[in-house]
Amino acid sequence: SQTIHQWPATLVQPVGSPLSLECTVEGTSNPNLYWYRQAAGRGLQLLFYSVGIGQISSEVPQNLSASRPQDRQFILSSKKLLLSDSGFYLCAWSLSAGPYEQYFGPGTRLTVT
Amino acid sequence: AQSVTQLGSHVSVSEGALVLLRCNYSSSVPPYLFWYVQYPNQGLQLLLKYTTGATLVKGINGFEAEFKKSETSFHLTKPSAHMSDAAEYFCAVSVNFGNEKLTFGTGTRLTIIP
Repeated sequence: SQTIHQWPATLVQPVGSPLSLECTVEGTSNPNLYWYRQAAGRGLQLLFYSVGIGQISSEVPQNLSASRPQDRQFILSSKKLLLSDSGFYLCAWSLSAGPYEQYFGPGTRLTVT
Repeated sequence: AQSVTQLGSHVSVSEGALVLLRCNYSSSVPPYLFWYVQYPNQGLQLLLKYTTGATLVKGINGFEAEFKKSETSFHLTKPSAHMSDAAEYFCAVSVNFGNEKLTFGTGTRLTIIP
């Protein structure tokens, strides 16, 4: 069966510090991978998605970036965090063919102080 | 492009009462439809999905949803609410024509009154 891991589970970082969140998927090959953010009391915002190694699509221009160095690894980064980057970050995967139902990781709670 | 509208950002029902969460979609091609549940500080969990075939779909935890093409709806129901059903529920849509993303609704927070 497939599993998805995210770490860390919680993170408190000062404004201006760098960020690296990691997501890995087990039990499947060539998945589509996704990064979402939930701000407090808000819905899901798709940040990035990837259909293959090195292929990243950005949905929202901001100070975040994503990389996919390996087939089942997806990394979310920032060089300098802003207060507005606080939120709950979710990684998800889907099969590479439709209907693209997504399976979510446990999430990372990021607080920027 | 497809879209999803969830009517009612907050819904409260009494324990044992019917749960009805509304979802309407817009799509120019046949859609795939999903309901997800999110408990506090957790990721989203797939409740049920409609792809093709039978329009009444049964999911986990006693939930079901019916795809009604004429009404462009995919409402989520449960005959008898349980305290453990309190959570945020998201409806989502995708299409199978090279678009690898899900479009999510804004969510409905379900509160169960004892």
